[in-house]
Amino acid sequence: EAQVTQNPRYLITVTGKKLTVTCSQNMNHEYMSWYRQDPGLGLRQIYYSMNVEVTDKGDVPEGYKVSRKEKRNFPLILESPSPNQTSLYFCASSLFAGSRSNQPQHFGDGTRLSIL
Amino acid sequence: KNQVEQSPQSLIILEGKNCTLQCNYTVSPFSNLRWYKQDTGRGPVSLTIMTFSENTKSNGRYTATLDADTKQSSLHITASQLSDSASYICVVKRLKGYSTLTFGKGTMLLVSP
Repeated sequence: EAQVTQNPRYLITVTGKKLTVTCSQNMNHEYMSWYRQDPGLGLRQIYYSMNVEVTDKGDVPEGYKVSRKEKRNFPLILESPSPNQTSLYFCASSLFAGSRSNQPQHFGDGTRLSIL
Repeated sequence: KNQVEQSPQSLIILEGKNCTLQCNYTVSPFSNLRWYKQDTGRGPVSLTIMTFSENTKSNGRYTATLDADTKQSSLHITASQLSDSASYICVVKRLKGYSTLTFGKGTMLLVSP
């Protein structure tokens, strides 16, 4: 089954304790992206990757890191989490990265992070 | 500034009734417009994608329209079902660069029995 898989689905942690949210897709998609969703703000892009070893900042990258060493995986790293990073996070992928691409994004089911 | 505005913010309708959700955008230059459905606790799922030349696109009981001149889109849901209860998100893709998607904040639809 074609899917985007995120882990963990839920995590409660404390300020400053490094954490990684994994994202994996099995569709051989070039483009992958991370979003956070907050009440009243909608989805906002954190980082995106056009292909292996190619990543760039989205609209709200502060406090986050990413890597794309393999095509299927795109982990989100919070080196020193803070309470303002408490949010619902989504990973997404699509076949192509170009601005003319009409391919839909496929989203994972989300990771709910609570940072105390 | 590139923006996507959706209305209403929330809507309650009776099962079996029709409804229309609105999306206005200022994103330029325009590439395409997408509607997503997001069930509670799940990731968004694509309903339709429309390019500049497409005025109407259907996906089952969902019909999206696009007026690129007025920069408006609508999503019409026919004969609503309880499973249509969800948030509907309008997303506009800009024809420039790679970080090109602008998301609306969504319309929360509740279909009541």
